[in-house]
Amino acid sequence: RKEVEQDPGPFNVPEGATVAFNCTYSNSASQSFFWYRQDCRKEPKLLMSVYSSGNEDGRFTAQLNRASQYISLLIRDSKLSDSATYLCVVTSPGNQFYFGTGTSLTVIP
Amino acid sequence: DAMVIQNPRYQVTQFGKPVTLSCSQTLNHNVMYWYQQKSSQAPKLLFHYYDKDFNNEADTPDNFQSRRPNTSFCFLDIRSPGLGDAAMYLCATSRDFSGRADTQYFGPGTRLTVL
Repeated sequence: RKEVEQDPGPFNVPEGATVAFNCTYSNSASQSFFWYRQDCRKEPKLLMSVYSSGNEDGRFTAQLNRASQYISLLIRDSKLSDSATYLCVVTSPGNQFYFGTGTSLTVIP
Repeated sequence: DAMVIQNPRYQVTQFGKPVTLSCSQTLNHNVMYWYQQKSSQAPKLLFHYYDKDFNNEADTPDNFQSRRPNTSFCFLDIRSPGLGDAAMYLCATSRDFSGRADTQYFGPGTRLTVL
């Protein structure tokens, strides 16, 4: 079983729409949780960390459910510039970062 | 301002000809990682260093080796590149807080082509 699983999409949404991505992880001892964004042929860049209480950064909201072992990312009022691949990342004890396969988002004018 | 630097950005090598990719960081992070990423796939961890401690992933082929001569530099050596090794190689760093990893910072990657 993969450490981290994501729906690869693609998600094609109109500008202004709200879109949500989910990610599940298999190791209950996982410690830290992140969402990264990766543009085509570029390196992953941190979008936001995910905290147990949930957290918001502008149009982006991240949630963590430890009991069900999933994290989510909600994007409100989608912009064209939000088009990218969103990677769910989970760390285990021992400094290992595990990546999901990524969810592709295209925001359409 | 670059914090994680990878050289070269593009590398072309011949089948079986050894190649070395380099990574340097100005963040003074104690953990450094090498990932392989193929098209439309997630980055795959090859190995990581916690200071000088080397940690190899179980499924990383012996063809891949790494060196970390000091905190700032880390190298990826591919001893005999095959066509299947063509990929983007990403270096990343993080800071460990009492056994808990902080955010990873990625370099821009080296895109390897094997002819």
